[in-house]
Amino acid sequence: DTEVTQTPKHLVMGMTNKKSLKCEQHMGHRAMYWYKQKAKKPPELMFVYSYEKLSINESVPSRFSPECPNSSLLNLHLHALQPEDSALYLCASSRQHQETQYFGPGTRLLVL
Amino acid sequence: DAKTTQPPSMDCAEGRAANLPCNHSTISGNEYVYWYRQIHSQGPQYIIHGLKNNETNEMASLIITEDRKSSTLILPHATLRDTAVYYCIVRVGNAGNMLTFGGGTRLMVKP
Repeated sequence: DTEVTQTPKHLVMGMTNKKSLKCEQHMGHRAMYWYKQKAKKPPELMFVYSYEKLSINESVPSRFSPECPNSSLLNLHLHALQPEDSALYLCASSRQHQETQYFGPGTRLLVL
Repeated sequence: DAKTTQPPSMDCAEGRAANLPCNHSTISGNEYVYWYRQIHSQGPQYIIHGLKNNETNEMASLIITEDRKSSTLILPHATLRDTAVYYCIVRVGNAGNMLTFGGGTRLMVKP
C-alpha cells in the first residue's frame, strides 16, 4: 500500500481566514513533505519533516506553518494568505528521508 | 543535484512503445535517476529509479547509458491513460532528500 491521503480536496478561503490542510499515511514512513505547485509549473518543495522534526524549510513565508503531530500525520496551517498562494498543495512521504517519495492527490487551494 | 533536460512534449500512438529521453550530463557518481509522472491535476506518481544498471518494473523500463549522462524511460505499450507529464530527476540517493522537479515532458498518447 503506497497511499498518501490529503484533505480537503478543494479549499476556497479569504485572505483573513485561517485554515489547515491535512495529510496522512499509514505506511510507517518517517519522512513527510509539503510541495506547492502552481498551474503549468513543476512542484516545488516547501518543507521536510524527518522523524517528526522539521529538517528543511525552503524559505517559505510564515503565513504557512507546518506541523507534524505524529509520524502518520502532517498538517499545513494557513493564515493571512494572498491570492498568489493559490496552487495545488501536495504532500509526500518516504520510508526514510533519502528514499523514494510517494505523493498524495493534493489539495487545490484558491485564495480570494 | 544535477540538472536534467527533457523535450517539452512528445506524441505516441496507442499500443506503441513510448521512449522518453532525459539528458543529465553533469550527474555525479552517487546520484540516482528517478522518473515520476503527473496525470492532470493529480499528485506525481513514482515510476522507477536507477543508478547505473538498466531497471524494469511493472510500469516501465529505465535504460541508462554507460557514461550515465543520459537515460530513456520506456513505456512498452502506451495507453491513453499514460498521457501525463513525465519528470526525470537526478538526486543523491544516500544524502539528499529533496526532489527538484524540472520542466518535464508532456506525453500525449493518441488513439
